[in-house]
Amino acid sequence: EAQVTQNPRYLITVTGKKLTVTCSQNMNHEYMSWYRQDPGLGLRQIYYSMNVEVTDKGDVPEGYKVSRKEKRNFPLILESPSPNQTSLYFCASSLFGADRTNYGYTFGSGTRLTVV
Amino acid sequence: QKEVEQNSGPLSVPEGAIASLNCTYSDRVSQSFFWYRQYSGKSPELIMSIYSNGDKEDGRFTAQLNKASQYVSLLIRDSQPSDSATYLCAVIGSARQLTFGSGTQLTVLP
Repeated sequence: EAQVTQNPRYLITVTGKKLTVTCSQNMNHEYMSWYRQDPGLGLRQIYYSMNVEVTDKGDVPEGYKVSRKEKRNFPLILESPSPNQTSLYFCASSLFGADRTNYGYTFGSGTRLTVV
Repeated sequence: QKEVEQNSGPLSVPEGAIASLNCTYSDRVSQSFFWYRQYSGKSPELIMSIYSNGDKEDGRFTAQLNKASQYVSLLIRDSQPSDSATYLCAVIGSARQLTFGSGTQLTVLP
């Protein structure tokens, strides 16, 4: 089954304790991205990757890191989490056509992170 | 000005009616437009994509695009209670990134 897999689904952690949220897709998609969703603010892009070893900042990158060493994986790293990073996180991937048309993003199931 | 704007709602329609959801965008060179449905606590699910002016129909859903007016809409015919969700308009603009509106909450009343 074609899918984007995120882990963990739920995570409660303490301020300052490094954590990684994993994201993997099995669709051979070039493009991957991380979003956070907060009430009243909608979905905001954190980082994205156009291909292996190519990453760039989205709208809200502060406090996050990413890496893209393999096409299928795009982990999100919080080096020193703070309470304002409590949110619902989504990983997404997408395929671009030969003419660079984007055919829509497939989202993972989400990770609900609480930082206390 | 927000890049993608939607009426936040909530929008309530009776079962069997047509639900009309609207979206405007600011980036004139935007080429790809999407509607996602999101149930509470779940991930967004792609329901429609549209790339050229006019209407595109898929089952009970019709997406409409007017690039001159920078306007996208979604019509849901014969609305069902299971259609109750938040509908997100999303646009790929000149930066080639997907930007979402804040969503319209739809409730279909039995």
